[in-house]
Amino acid sequence: RKEVEQDPGPFNVPEGATVAFNCTYSNSASQSFFWYRQDCRKEPKLLMSVYSSGNEDGRFTAQLNRASQYISLLIRDSKLSDSATYLCVVGPGGYQKVTFGIGTKLQVIP
Amino acid sequence: DTEVTQTPKHLVMGMTNKKSLKCEQHMGHRAMYWYKQKAKKPPELMFVYSYEKLSINESVPSRFSPECPNSSLLNLHLHALQPEDSALYLCASSPQNNEQFFGPGTRLTVL
Repeated sequence: RKEVEQDPGPFNVPEGATVAFNCTYSNSASQSFFWYRQDCRKEPKLLMSVYSSGNEDGRFTAQLNRASQYISLLIRDSKLSDSATYLCVVGPGGYQKVTFGIGTKLQVIP
Repeated sequence: DTEVTQTPKHLVMGMTNKKSLKCEQHMGHRAMYWYKQKAKKPPELMFVYSYEKLSINESVPSRFSPECPNSSLLNLHLHALQPEDSALYLCASSPQNNEQFFGPGTRLTVL
C-alpha cells in the first residue's frame, strides 16, 4: 500500500460545479496534513493546512478524518482558474520528510 | 518579504560543466529543502537543512552537493550531471511542522 494515495483523475467538471477530492494515508502517526495546488510547469503553492476540526477558506473546505486516515478537499462553485493539479501532503511534523500524493488533476470546463 | 526566490530560472549545462543553483528566503524559516521534480510526478526530496545543518540526505548521488552558507541561503552545486538529471529543481522553506513554501524552481536541462 502506498503511503499516500490519491486518484490522479483527471476530473473534468463544468464551471460552477462542486468537486471533492480524497486522499488516504497509511501512517497513523502522521501529524501534519496539507493540500497544495500546482499549475503546469510552476511550483506547488500551499492551499490549506488540514485539521480534524475542518477548515474553510472561501470556496475551499478541507477535512481530516483520523479514524479512517483520509483527508478531503471540497471546492464549491468551481472557476476556470481552479484548473490545476491538487497535491495531498502528509508528514510526521517538525522538519522531517513529508510524503506527497501523486496529485489529482482538475480541469474546469466552460 | 514573504517569498522564496531561486536563481537561475533556467539552466542548460553540459555533462562536464560545474554550475550552482541558489535559493534565498528572508522569512526567518529554520528549515530549507531541495526537491527534484520530473514531469507529471510529485516533488522528490533530495536534502533538508534544519538550523543550517544537513539533517536529511535522501541518498542523492555525489554529483549533487548542497551547501547552506547561512539561515537565509541554500545552494546546490552541480557537477558531472547526466541527461536524466534534467528536471525542475525546487527549493522550499519551512517555519514549522512540515508546512513548506516553495520557490519558483530552476528548470535544468543537461545535454
